[in-house]
Parts: sequence; structure tokens; C-alpha cells
Amino acid sequence: SAVISQKPSRDICQRGTSLTIQCQVDSQVTMMFWYRQQPGQSLTLIATANQGSEATYESGFVIDKFPISRPNLTFSTLTVSNMSPEDSSIYLCSVAAGRPDTQYFGPGTRLTVL
Amino acid sequence: GENVEQHPSTLSVQEGDSAVIKCTYSDSASNYFPWYKQELGKGPQLIIDIRSNVGEKKDQRIAVTLNKTAKHFSLHITETQPEDSAVYFCAASWNNQGGKLIFGQGTELSVKP
Repeated sequence: SAVISQKPSRDICQRGTSLTIQCQVDSQVTMMFWYRQQPGQSLTLIATANQGSEATYESGFVIDKFPISRPNLTFSTLTVSNMSPEDSSIYLCSVAAGRPDTQYFGPGTRLTVL
Repeated sequence: GENVEQHPSTLSVQEGDSAVIKCTYSDSASNYFPWYKQELGKGPQLIIDIRSNVGEKKDQRIAVTLNKTAKHFSLHITETQPEDSAVYFCAASWNNQGGKLIFGQGTELSVKP
């Protein structure tokens, strides 16, 4: 497994602003993932972030809205841009340890947009 | 694309009873089925998983069964305790999808003392 931390743990933001969420893992991992969990809902994959390559976005998510950085094997950021109240969600990063599909999650960032 | 259906959405049991949560998947190519437990205010925690070459896996009070023919898999919790109360998610993935997990809708389990 892996120990994953996220910053901030929660934030309240104004409409039209942007927030950058950081994800730090205690060991080097190739694959990191960003998920969104809307209130009371399941998890939806936003994108896969592999070090050394551009992030791969899922249908319905675009780079202009959710730019991702992956500067090294232990760190990634997700930015939620030009926020609206519909972006209020929990944002989770996960890492693949061992096989790509065996994923461990961070504690999440709880975002409220007013 | 792959779709995962999870039932029930809520489940209430008495402490000591067993709890069963069921999931079905649509893509027969799926070959990995993890279960996550999410407590309030926390991220999902991997509690058990199973691959398609195995029909059953057990870890203390938790077991998972897989029926590839019927394309469904189940989580069994025996001797439930109040600390088992949480939301449980099943998921599925398949080869060559870069680790993409498709999650079920979640089951809120409440264990009453």
C-alpha cells in the first residue's frame, strides 16, 4: 500500500476562482489518478496522471477545466478552474501500487463553491 | 462501456448479523473486482479484492465471491460490528484499460448495537 496526503483537506471558494489541490505519496509510483465524488454519490475518474506524459482525461472532463501536473513520481496537482457551485465535490487522488488496477486513495479534498 | 450496478443502496443489520452487498458488471472482459470502505469524512479504503481466476477470497470476517458466468460478485461481512458502519463501494476493471476503475453506486451499511 501507500500513504497518501492531500492539501487542502477542505476549502470554501468563490464562483469564478480556481483552486489547486496537491497530492503527495510516500513512495514512488508510476500511475496516479484523480477522481470526483459529488455529494452522496459514487466516484468518477477525472484523469490518469503518469509522470513524464500528458494526463489522460475521461469523457466529460477537459484539460482547460481540470489541468493536472505530475512533476515527479511522488507528487501531482489538480486545478479546478473557473469554479461554479456545480464543482462542489470531494476530489480524491489515488495511486496504483503494484498492478495498475490496485489503487489506494488519499483522504480527499472537500470543496464547496459559493 | 463497462457499467457496475450495486445493491442495496442502504442496508441496516443488527450487530452480530451478516451483511451481503451485491454487484453486477456488464463487460465480460472485466477481471479485477475490488471493494472499498468509506467512512464519513475519509477517503475510500481498499478492504478486499478478487481477480477473475479465483471464485472466492476471504480475510477474517470479510469475504468476496465472484460468479463470472453470471457477471456478479458479492461482499460478505460476518459477525458485523458497529465499526463496520460505512459506505461500501464495489468496482471493476479490465486489462488494457490503464487501471481505470468503474465504481458501483455505493451501499450505506448501518450496524445497530
